Amino acid sequence: GAVVSQHPSWVICKSGTSVKIECRSLDFQATTMFWYRQFPKQSLMLMATSNEGSKATYEQGVEKDKFLINHASLTLSTLTVTSAHPEDSSFYICSATPGDTGLAGPTGYEQYFGPGTRLTVT
Amino acid sequence: KQEVTQIPAALSVPEGENLVLNCSFTDSAIYNLQWFRQDPGKGLTSLLLIQSSQREQTSGRLNASLDKSSGRSTLYIAASQPGDSATYLCAVNGYKLSFGAGTTVTVRA
Repeated sequence: GAVVSQHPSWVICKSGTSVKIECRSLDFQATTMFWYRQFPKQSLMLMATSNEGSKATYEQGVEKDKFLINHASLTLSTLTVTSAHPEDSSFYICSATPGDTGLAGPTGYEQYFGPGTRLTVT
Repeated sequence: KQEVTQIPAALSVPEGENLVLNCSFTDSAIYNLQWFRQDPGKGLTSLLLIQSSQREQTSGRLNASLDKSSGRSTLYIAASQPGDSATYLCAVNGYKLSFGAGTTVTVRA
């Protein structure tokens, strides 16, 4: 159980175009989903937290107009990289949890991670 | 701000040797701590999750300990195998999940 999928697994796009990445929880309802990015040889950095039906909360330094996050259902969140540039090339990983972050932070539920999406912008 | 440090950054051992991976964190107000494995170009595989009230967790050849008061966790892998070669990430769950930079392990046959 607790499987999270991502689509596509890799994508190559031209500079200036937009790319959408999907994150799905396959066998549980994900109240909260998280988006991370990972540059080569570096660790994961949290980009944003999204709760179903509400606006995403972005980490400091992450442009919300560039990285659009939609969490329209309890099993699907999407990340759209708008007007992508080569510096946006990275490994994007989502995670999902049945827990509700609410206003007081996460409740300690385990996060289940997707397999990641490799984005290359040429 | 939570800072998570993993030492060593890289480790190379002969097959059969036990592995000891260290993780330290600065803020002890955490809900839980997770150890992950990441193969090159791949996503994360969860290995063990330790709730803040627990001292250790075991799964097969893996054992993870947690000392919340001192801000430390250790992952032990017994009788290492070449298939254990990967990067191991420690992640601390406070208000958000904060990751260490990882320890890259190579097990030589």
